[in-house]
Amino acid sequence: GAGVSQSPSNKVTEKGKDVELRCDPISGHTALYWYRQSLGQGLEFLIYFQGNSAPDKSGLPSDRFSAERTGGSVSTLTIQRTQQEDSAVYLCASSLGVGGSGANVLTFGAGSRLTVL
Amino acid sequence: GNSVTQMEGPVTLSEEAFLTINCTYTATGYPSLFWYVQYPGEGLQLLLKATKADDKGSNKGFEATYRKETTSFHLEKGSVQVSDSAVYFCALRGAGGSYIPTFGRGTSLIVHP
Repeated sequence: GAGVSQSPSNKVTEKGKDVELRCDPISGHTALYWYRQSLGQGLEFLIYFQGNSAPDKSGLPSDRFSAERTGGSVSTLTIQRTQQEDSAVYLCASSLGVGGSGANVLTFGAGSRLTVL
Repeated sequence: GNSVTQMEGPVTLSEEAFLTINCTYTATGYPSLFWYVQYPGEGLQLLLKATKADDKGSNKGFEATYRKETTSFHLEKGSVQVSDSAVYFCALRGAGGSYIPTFGRGTSLIVHP
């Protein structure tokens, strides 16, 4: 597609349930990022995929969080046993890769708003 | 590690007022610097960027100059409009090692008619 697509746009779940958030990046973008945007907290880095390299998971806040990227394209962020503090907007972004000026610029999706009751 | 500090908001201005949103950074080497804007209900989008010292990024009347000596990248606009109301994020991307962009906390701008 023309932009980064995320689904669902809005998810309300009960504490303890698992959720999956999906990101479809721009075709040809080899780098994919997940960030979390909490009220008043700015953007918190979660995980980064680049091509076929092992992902950088250094930002995942706990082992309840995981992500995968299939075929170098679509990515799914999974949160197991959700907690109320997981409530936030989860943003996905993609870029051309690690080298060159195009690699510097991230294109973001509109985000998935997660509310854990 | 890399970090970005930007002024807290909200910043509230009248239309046609002058805007400055301060941003300072900590990074090794020569990072690339960015301003992203998030309009209500939308995703972040790139507003402008600068990739080396003394470069000036500009777009839609906004400007920011990469100041290595003061490690700053302040955003300015001479005359704001109601449509500029949004959240503005300063960000940097390291010159080597980690390619993961680091973002500031965002500054909300509210422009009144």
